[in-house]
Amino acid sequence: GAGVSQSPSNKVTEKGKDVELRCDPISGHTALYWYRQSLGQGLEFLIYFQGNSAPDKSGLPSDRFSAERTGGSVSTLTIQRTQQEDSAVYLCASSLGQVRLMGYTFGSGTRLTVV
Amino acid sequence: AQSVTQLDSQVPVFEEAPVELRCNYSSSVSVYLFWYVQYPNQGLQLLLKYLSGSTLVESINGFEAEFNKSQTSFHLRKPSVHISDTAEYFCAVKDGNKLVFGAGTILRVKS
Repeated sequence: GAGVSQSPSNKVTEKGKDVELRCDPISGHTALYWYRQSLGQGLEFLIYFQGNSAPDKSGLPSDRFSAERTGGSVSTLTIQRTQQEDSAVYLCASSLGQVRLMGYTFGSGTRLTVV
Repeated sequence: AQSVTQLDSQVPVFEEAPVELRCNYSSSVSVYLFWYVQYPNQGLQLLLKYLSGSTLVESINGFEAEFNKSQTSFHLRKPSVHISDTAEYFCAVKDGNKLVFGAGTILRVKS
């Protein structure tokens, strides 16, 4: 596609439920990243994919968080047993080639609210 | 690990005044630096980047940033701001295969 697409744009869920967030990167972008943006906290790195593998998942905050990528394209971030502190905007970004040269293209994010 | 610090959480400024948004990075070894902008209710967009060469980099909308190795800084400047520049600005540094972002600075331009 023309840009990075994320769905849903907004998600309200009850505490304890599981949620899935989807990211469609720009076609041909081999690198994909998930970040979390909380109020006043900036962007917190979660996980990095190169193709379908995740060489860096150091930012996942707990074992309730997982992510996968299939076909070198779509990625899904899953949060199990959601907690109120999981409320944030979850951003996906993709990059063609080396990040030092290209930077990222970001999606518009999924705003997750846990009630 | 690389990191960046944005010292100002909010910067209010009047329209047509100059502005500087401060960013300091942690290491001088192979530094690659970026500024991103997030307009209200929009995603982050790349504003400018420093990879190597000239220490002064410019964007298409009048912003510029200067890489200063001795002060480990990459401050963003604009000589005359517009109302439309109201946004949150993020400084970022390459760390391995990813970018590490600062906490952001909200620029509020007042008429």
